[in-house]
Amino acid sequence: SQTIHQWPATLVQPVGSPLSLECTVEGTSNPNLYWYRQAAGRGLQLLFYSVGIGQISSEVPQNLSASRPQDRQFILSSKKLLLSDSGFYLCAWSGGLASNEQFFGPGTRLTVL
Amino acid sequence: AQSVTQLGSHVSVSEGALVLLRCNYSSSVPPYLFWYVQYPNQGLQLLLKYTSAATLVKGINGFEAEFKKSETSFHLTKPSAHMSDAAEYFCAVSGLNSGYSTLTFGKGTMLLVSP
Repeated sequence: SQTIHQWPATLVQPVGSPLSLECTVEGTSNPNLYWYRQAAGRGLQLLFYSVGIGQISSEVPQNLSASRPQDRQFILSSKKLLLSDSGFYLCAWSGGLASNEQFFGPGTRLTVL
Repeated sequence: AQSVTQLGSHVSVSEGALVLLRCNYSSSVPPYLFWYVQYPNQGLQLLLKYTSAATLVKGINGFEAEFKKSETSFHLTKPSAHMSDAAEYFCAVSGLNSGYSTLTFGKGTMLLVSP
């Protein structure tokens, strides 16, 4: 069966520090991968998605970036965190069809102070 | 482009009462629709999905949803609420973005269940 992992589970970082969040998927190959940010009362905001190694699409311009160095690994990064980057970050994977549901990881709670 | 509107950021019910969470969608193509549940500090879990087969879709934990094209709605229901149903619920519609499938989520509805 497929599983999706995210780490760390929680992170407290000072403003201006770098960020690296990692997501890995097991039990499937060539998944579509997604990064979302969830802020209170704002639902889920799609940040990035990827349909293959090295292929990244950005939905919202910001100081975050994403990379997919391996088929089942998706990384969210920042060179300098802002206060507004605080939130709950969720990684998800799906098959390639519009009818495919997305499967979510457990999330990372990021607090920027 | 697709969009989802969930009416009511919070819904309160008593244990044993009917649960009704509303979702309306906008889509330029026949939609695929999803309901997810999120418990505090956890990821989202799929409750059910509509993929153009039966219009009444049954999901996990006793939930079901009915696709009504004329009303562009996909409301989520459960006949009798349990305390364990207290969580946030998200409706989503699938669409194509630059040729690739993405989900557009509503802002969520927090379900509160009182004894």
